[in-house]
Amino acid sequence: GAVVSQHPSRVICKSGTSVKIECRSLDFQATTMFWYRQFPKQSLMLMATSNEGSKATYEQGVEKDKFLINHASLTLSTLTVTSAHPEDSSFYICSADRRGAETQYFGPGTRLLVL
Amino acid sequence: GNSVTQMEGPVTLSEEAFLTINCTYTATGYPSLFWYVQYPGEGLQLLLKATKADDKGSNKGFEATYRKETTSFHLEKGSVQVSDSAVYFCALPGGAQGGSEKLVFGKGTKLTVNP
Repeated sequence: GAVVSQHPSRVICKSGTSVKIECRSLDFQATTMFWYRQFPKQSLMLMATSNEGSKATYEQGVEKDKFLINHASLTLSTLTVTSAHPEDSSFYICSADRRGAETQYFGPGTRLLVL
Repeated sequence: GNSVTQMEGPVTLSEEAFLTINCTYTATGYPSLFWYVQYPGEGLQLLLKATKADDKGSNKGFEATYRKETTSFHLEKGSVQVSDSAVYFCALPGGAQGGSEKLVFGKGTKLTVNP
């Protein structure tokens, strides 16, 4: 089956630093990847849609300068949380769209803790 | 855009009990409907899906029927196990077209099954 990985799985950083999260489709090419954020005991909130070779499309209320998304290849998208603050602490999940597949494939998530 | 309303939990059951998690949707047209499961500390996995009215999705003993008359896609399992303890999300494509696009999720229902 299609596999999507995320790295790192867990990261702790100091306030003010930047953190990069990678999302990879391991055995298929993904023209579109999605980034979600999940708060404790809440649903997933779509942050942005990432298309290979073009600028990401951000959902309303998501700061594009805060959450930088790069989708440089068909198998890799990165999310960089710039100048992280404690309120950015969350579980970040990516998903990848595989052509012809019935649904998206989700990564295992990255737990970010900003101190 | 499309939206989904899901029964909020938490739900606590004893092993072998019957499970129902309600999900209703609002959509343009007849998009595919999905149930995802999230085990503790992990990302989302597709549990089952239905692509058209009256379709029944099933997997691992779980079932859900696409009912356009009641705009519902309730998740059921006749006899739950401790290993079914997880958070369950109802979802559908966010736009009218369906297919490769963002998903809209319900708020999630946490299920705990006690031995």
